[in-house]
Amino acid sequence: DADVTQTPRNRITKTGKRIMLECSQTKGHDRMYWYRQDPGLGLRLIYYSFDVKDINKGEISDGYSVSRQAQAKFSLSLESAIPNQTALYFCATSDFETGGEQFFGPGTRLTVL
Amino acid sequence: AQKITQTQPGMFVQEKEAVTLDCTYDTSDPSYGLFWYKQPSSGEMIFLIYQGSYDQQNATEGRYSLNFQKARKSANLVISASQLGDSAMYFCAMREPYSGGGADGLTFGKGTHLIIQP
Repeated sequence: DADVTQTPRNRITKTGKRIMLECSQTKGHDRMYWYRQDPGLGLRLIYYSFDVKDINKGEISDGYSVSRQAQAKFSLSLESAIPNQTALYFCATSDFETGGEQFFGPGTRLTVL
Repeated sequence: AQKITQTQPGMFVQEKEAVTLDCTYDTSDPSYGLFWYKQPSSGEMIFLIYQGSYDQQNATEGRYSLNFQKARKSANLVISASQLGDSAMYFCAMREPYSGGGADGLTFGKGTHLIIQP
């Protein structure tokens, strides 16, 4: 079984809709992250969390919110989706003790029409 | 200024040849980590290799090695004996210490699209 899972894997939605992307991990890591990837670009950090009570904004947090429901679960919400949020979204985890390597989920491909 | 620069948007290489993918980085912190990830057409991010700023030797993982030149702020990925399955996007990334003022997480370059030709 995959250590980091994301649901859904693909989603098509309409402008203005609220969307939630979910991430679960079985690695036991405290740190979790959400990134987005646009065509031709590397990944950019949206939000990150050190633990359930510690959530922080990344480089491009506008238009997004997150919830850390448990150590193993970290959700990303688009309150009112817009077309330029069409992208590939990745969840990742890390353990400080391992030097910062991040373990990525398979990604969620989101299309906003 | 970009923190991670990958100057090769695309590369074509003959199978079995060695490949060097360039990466330069920019940081003023003495403690940082450098990573390479592979992204095949299926989209997943696959960790390849890690180099810590204080590591004395270049990192190696099987056919992958990292040519770390600290003074030049360069962290090139070398793939020996390339294979058709190496065709993918390759991303260089850096992690700087979380200091309270900056963000945790990785900063990625824009990637290099490597195509291995038979």
